[in-house]
Amino acid sequence: AQSVTQPDIHITVSEGASLELRCNYSYGATPYLFWYVQSPGQGLQLLLKYFSGDTLVQGIKGFEAEFKRSQSSFNLRKPSVHWSDAAEYFCAVGAYTGNQFYFGTGTSLTVIP
Amino acid sequence: DVKVTQSSRYLVKRTGEKVFLECVQDMDHENMFWYRQDPGLGLRLIYFSYDVKMKEKGDIPEGYSVSREKKERFSLILESASTNQTSMYLCASIKNTIYFGEGSWLTVV
Repeated sequence: AQSVTQPDIHITVSEGASLELRCNYSYGATPYLFWYVQSPGQGLQLLLKYFSGDTLVQGIKGFEAEFKRSQSSFNLRKPSVHWSDAAEYFCAVGAYTGNQFYFGTGTSLTVIP
Repeated sequence: DVKVTQSSRYLVKRTGEKVFLECVQDMDHENMFWYRQDPGLGLRLIYFSYDVKMKEKGDIPEGYSVSREKKERFSLILESASTNQTSMYLCASIKNTIYFGEGSWLTVV
C-alpha cells in the first residue's frame, strides 16, 4: 500500500540551529516526492520536489532534501533555522501522472529564540 | 505564476444548510482535487476530477459532492452540512506538481 510516514509530530529547535525533518514512504512505482510548508491559516506552499536525477534537491527558503532509495526516505534539511520557518511541514509522494498523491500527517516546527 | 483561488476563506453555516466551496485555477490543468485537513489526520482526499464533467471519489466522499462544468472551476458541495464537516478544505490543481489554494475554513454550527 502507498503511504507516507512523518515520524515526528512536533519538533522544537533554537533559532540558528540545524533542522532535519524525516519522511519515509512506501510506494510501488518510481516515486515523485514533495515537501510542502503550511503557515497558520494558509494553504500549502511547495518547498521542493524530486522527480529524477541528483538525489539532493534544493528548494526555496534555503531548504534541501535528499532522496535515499535504499531507505525509502526523503528527509528535509536546513542548516540554520529562522524564526519565520515555524510552520507545519508535509511530505508527499505521487506518480508522474498526477492522479494520486499521498501525504504524511505533518510535522509541526516550533522555533525558539 | 500558478494560481489556485478559493473564493471563500472563512464560512460559518448552520447544520442542514447546503454549502458551496468554489475553486478556480488559471493554469489550464485537467486534474483538480478537493482535500480536507484536520489536526492529526493530515490531508484526506474527498473527490477529484480529471476533466470537465468527470469526477472520482476519493477516500472520504460521504456527505460531499462535486461539480466541474468548466475546466478551470471545481466546486465542492455539502448537500446538508453537519457539525463533523467543520474543517479546513483545500483545493488543488495538479500537473506533475500539486498547487494548492489558500484554503477555506468552514465552521458548521
